[in-house]
Amino acid sequence: AQKVTQAQTEISVVEKEDVTLDCVYETRDTTYYLFWYKQPPSGELVFLIRRNSFDEQNEISGRYSWNFQKSTSSFNFTITASQVVDSAVYFCALSEAYRSAEKLVFGKGMKLTVNP
Amino acid sequence: DVKVTQSSRYLVKRTGEKVFLECVQDMDHENMFWYRQDPGLGLRLIYFSYDVKMKEKGDIPEGYSVSREKKERFSLILESASTNQTSMYLCASTLSGTGTYEQYFGPGTRLTVT
Repeated sequence: AQKVTQAQTEISVVEKEDVTLDCVYETRDTTYYLFWYKQPPSGELVFLIRRNSFDEQNEISGRYSWNFQKSTSSFNFTITASQVVDSAVYFCALSEAYRSAEKLVFGKGMKLTVNP
Repeated sequence: DVKVTQSSRYLVKRTGEKVFLECVQDMDHENMFWYRQDPGLGLRLIYFSYDVKMKEKGDIPEGYSVSREKKERFSLILESASTNQTSMYLCASTLSGTGTYEQYFGPGTRLTVT
């Protein structure tokens, strides 16, 4: 069965600190997709990134970067120079193809608090 | 921009009532999903639909049913609400295709059953 583990449940940092959110996944599929979502206090999940299993290149988008390592089944997310607006719950997710609908298996989420 | 809307942000119902949660998306997405979110448990899939009138159970379907009569609308029904169904309910939609596309989420409905 597919599984996503976010071992950290809550992290608190001071503004401008770097923070890494860990994500470890389990799957028997050779083709799969990994996602990160952000849920700010307003409640709506916001898509951040999708990565397929054949692309292990790291990705950087502004202050955000992602490190995908198939050898350790990890897809970690780093926020550089964190800001108060980064305070949110972050979810890692893994795709599971079922018929024509792509189900996502979510981790339990990690609450990040960035203090001024 | 993809827009997923949910009928209510907050809802308070009594035990035993029949509850309808509505979700509408405006991007012609084939797939739609209902999740519930509880502290420490993350998002858990209740039901999903990959086409009109088609539905599949997710991980926690007990106590819920769904309806998809039109492509853009996916309804979650609590036949007889119970206090353990107090939760945040999130609707999502996505395209179908050869790849796996990101799901777009609505703002959520916080349901309290008293």
